[in-house]
Amino acid sequence: DGGITQSPKYLFRKEGQNVTLSCEQNLNHDAMYWYRQDPGQGLRLIYYSQIVNDFQKGDIAEGYSVSREKKESFPLTVTSAQKNPTAFYLCASSTIQGPGELFFGEGSRLTVL
Amino acid sequence: AQSVSQHNHHVILSEAASLELGCNYSYGGTVNLFWYVQYPGQHLQLLLKYFSGDPLVKGIKGFEAEFIKSKFSFNLRKPSVQWSDTAEYFCAGRSSNTGKLIFGQGTTLQVKP
Repeated sequence: DGGITQSPKYLFRKEGQNVTLSCEQNLNHDAMYWYRQDPGQGLRLIYYSQIVNDFQKGDIAEGYSVSREKKESFPLTVTSAQKNPTAFYLCASSTIQGPGELFFGEGSRLTVL
Repeated sequence: AQSVSQHNHHVILSEAASLELGCNYSYGGTVNLFWYVQYPGQHLQLLLKYFSGDPLVKGIKGFEAEFIKSKFSFNLRKPSVQWSDTAEYFCAGRSSNTGKLIFGQGTTLQVKP
């Protein structure tokens, strides 16, 4: 079945450690996105990419990094510079033609101890 | 800067009441607009989308939204809500200039039986 796979679903890390969240899609979508969801703040865009080897910062990119070496994959690294990394992270993809609604993964919940 | 604003953060209605949730965007160029719903404990689900054509868009579960370009608005409506509509609702928009897709802060709807 086509879809978006995020892993891991739950992740615990100590302060000061970098962590990488995986996002893979087999929908043949050109665009991929990373959002952070916090209660009362909606979904805030971290990074997005519309084409391989190119990506743009979203509204809260500080302390995060991404890569887009393959069309199917868009991993997110939460670095030790991110001041409040504990959150629910959602990956999404879309076409860039037409309405381009987002298809979401199931999310990754990161807890920094 | 591109933004999407939702006016109501928390709405409480009785069953059979009519619903209207406000959404405004600030974008240049052509916009694609969306409403997503997140039921308690579940993932985001697309309610409806506007791409072009008829500004009155009908979605799932009896929801509709009207794109009013002159007001930069895309309000969500439902004539008669049910207890099962209790959820968080997110408005989102993408500018064709940048491809950036951002969300409003969300509106929590509580429907009392």
